[in-house]
Amino acid sequence: QQPVQSPQAVILREGEDAVINCSSSKALYSVHWYRQKHGEAPVFLMILLKGGEQKGHEKISASFNEKKQQSSLYLTASQLSYSGTYFCGTEMNTGNQFYFGTGTSLTVIP
Amino acid sequence: KAGVTQTPRYLIKTRGQQVTLSCSPISGHRSVSWYQQTPGQGLQFLFEYFSETQRNKGNFPGRFSGRQFSNSRSEMNVSTLELGDSALYLCASSLAPSGAAYEQYFGPGTRLTVT
Repeated sequence: QQPVQSPQAVILREGEDAVINCSSSKALYSVHWYRQKHGEAPVFLMILLKGGEQKGHEKISASFNEKKQQSSLYLTASQLSYSGTYFCGTEMNTGNQFYFGTGTSLTVIP
Repeated sequence: KAGVTQTPRYLIKTRGQQVTLSCSPISGHRSVSWYQQTPGQGLQFLFEYFSETQRNKGNFPGRFSGRQFSNSRSEMNVSTLELGDSALYLCASSLAPSGAAYEQYFGPGTRLTVT
């Protein structure tokens, strides 16, 4: 039930774009995105809900495909501060447990 | 508003001992979840408490237990420590329990090393 993220790791140059994907085998109610910088706690980025509602970081863009139970996080014009590990988290239609994905390490270099 | 606090921040224990970790949520938050983070396994869900009741428990042995107090503060206990319990233990608080699509706010974690 743990969602799977891809890619596992990505290296970008400043200004480049990246897409991080999160897939679940179960029907999802919501997808959450968090970023964790090295040595720090995860920080909330945004939530995407079934039906299209979103809440969170204004500068972050993401999508949620309910038919495929997939979410994608879009990082455009990347900055050095975007570096970190990105986790998706999922809440399912049935059951209440929250699952974090496998994580995607993103490194932005000058 | 003060963030989530966890104590202690670092802990070194030997195999067979037990340990208690503490988490104080953001004021007004009644949901507290615990996660174990290791390099190989990522963030693994341990349990979630809401209004002093355990709502969910992850796939961990019975050596891992927790509780929540009436002021929403939470503790987790690990008995008979094993080397594999070495990890960063993160606590997260939220306004509402999982299933309500509310964001979680994480504490800095407790780094447990078992020797």
